[in-house]
Amino acid sequence: QSALTQPASVSGSPGQSITISCTGTSSDVGGYNLVSWYQQHPGKAPKLMIYEVYKRPSGLSDRFSGSKSGNTASLTISGLQAEDEADYYCCSYAGSNTFYVFGTGTKVTVL
Amino acid sequence: EVQLVESGGGLVQPGGSLRLSCAASGLTVSSNYMSWVRQAPGKGLEWVSVIYSDGSTYYADSVKGRFTISRDNSKNTLYLQMNSLTPEDTAVYYCARDFPRSFDYWGQGTLVTVSS
Repeated sequence: QSALTQPASVSGSPGQSITISCTGTSSDVGGYNLVSWYQQHPGKAPKLMIYEVYKRPSGLSDRFSGSKSGNTASLTISGLQAEDEADYYCCSYAGSNTFYVFGTGTKVTVL
Repeated sequence: EVQLVESGGGLVQPGGSLRLSCAASGLTVSSNYMSWVRQAPGKGLEWVSVIYSDGSTYYADSVKGRFTISRDNSKNTLYLQMNSLTPEDTAVYYCARDFPRSFDYWGQGTLVTVSS
């Protein structure tokens, strides 16, 4: 099972909105509403930002939102802030043989 | 507050073995789905294995037959026994609660280096 495809990098100025795409196949992203997104700062553990495509964990900023269309999921960060600078990974459930597939990762830079 | 604390990483020669531990507090390992996820240096995340609350276990193809996930309910601890290690297994290994189908609590990770 190949990794989900994400852009290597995305950048934006403070206050702007950016969107990170995550492209898979009908066997993973397109087949299940079970896409999650993780933020990872250097040297730290990943942090869950979005689950089941669009749901936010309790207490998480509503500046983060998720969506899906066909085989592509997206994470949008609105009102970009300096602390949003990090690596972001998508992940999809891919059935009871493969289980989970992660994305290639996207480095977000706040200009 | 949920805490997951991994230990057991280190330097091991190719072909060697290592057992990782993940001590949990604030959640009951046996009542949850628990996974191991790894990250090679400078690379992305890769799911490794999961153990369900009913004891069922599943593995990524890359580790099937070499790694074994288990738990000790009395110690509230998750384990990953890793055998026949290769340099490609070099990574930070994280334990995480499987929500399920997403990972909401993560440990800080433990580094495994396979090298001669």
